[in-house]
Amino acid sequence: RKEVEQDPGPFNVPEGATVAFNCTYSNSASQSFFWYRQDCRKEPKLLMSVYSSGNEDGRFTAQLNRASQYISLLIRDSKLSDSATYLCVVNIAGFQKLVFGTGTRLLVSP
Amino acid sequence: DAMVIQNPRYQVTQFGKPVTLSCSQTLNHNVMYWYQQKSSQAPKLLFHYYDKDFNNEADTPDNFQSRRPNTSFCFLDIRSPGLGDAAMYLCATSSAAQVSTEAFFGQGTRLTVV
Repeated sequence: RKEVEQDPGPFNVPEGATVAFNCTYSNSASQSFFWYRQDCRKEPKLLMSVYSSGNEDGRFTAQLNRASQYISLLIRDSKLSDSATYLCVVNIAGFQKLVFGTGTRLLVSP
Repeated sequence: DAMVIQNPRYQVTQFGKPVTLSCSQTLNHNVMYWYQQKSSQAPKLLFHYYDKDFNNEADTPDNFQSRRPNTSFCFLDIRSPGLGDAAMYLCATSSAAQVSTEAFFGQGTRLTVV
């Protein structure tokens, strides 16, 4: 089983749609979680950290469910500029290493 | 201002000819990572340093080596590049001192093997 797994993509949605991505992790002791965004041929950039209580940043909402070991990202009112690959990243406790999920590609169309 | 700098941005090397990629950081982070990213795939962790402690992933080929002479610099050495090693190589740093610590990435080095 992979350490971090994500929904397979691509997700094709129209502008204005709401879309949700899920990510599961296998190490129950993992301590921190992130969503990164990666544009084609660019480096990943932090979108948001994920906190136990859930957090929101504008149109983006991240949730963490420790009991079920999954993380989610919700994007409301999708924009064309949201088209990118979204990567779930987990800090594996005890090893101090950051592991990426497989990534989910989002395509927002007019 | 760039905080994680990778050089060069693009590297062309010959099959079997050793190549070194470099990464430097101004963040004074104690953890540095090297990832390999092939087309349409997620970044794959090759190894990371926690201070001077080197941590190799179990499936990282022996062909890949790394050096970290000081906090600021880290190198990726590919001893005998094969065509399958063509990829984007990403360096990242983070601070182990903070519980919820994000990683900061360099712009990557795109390696072509001819």
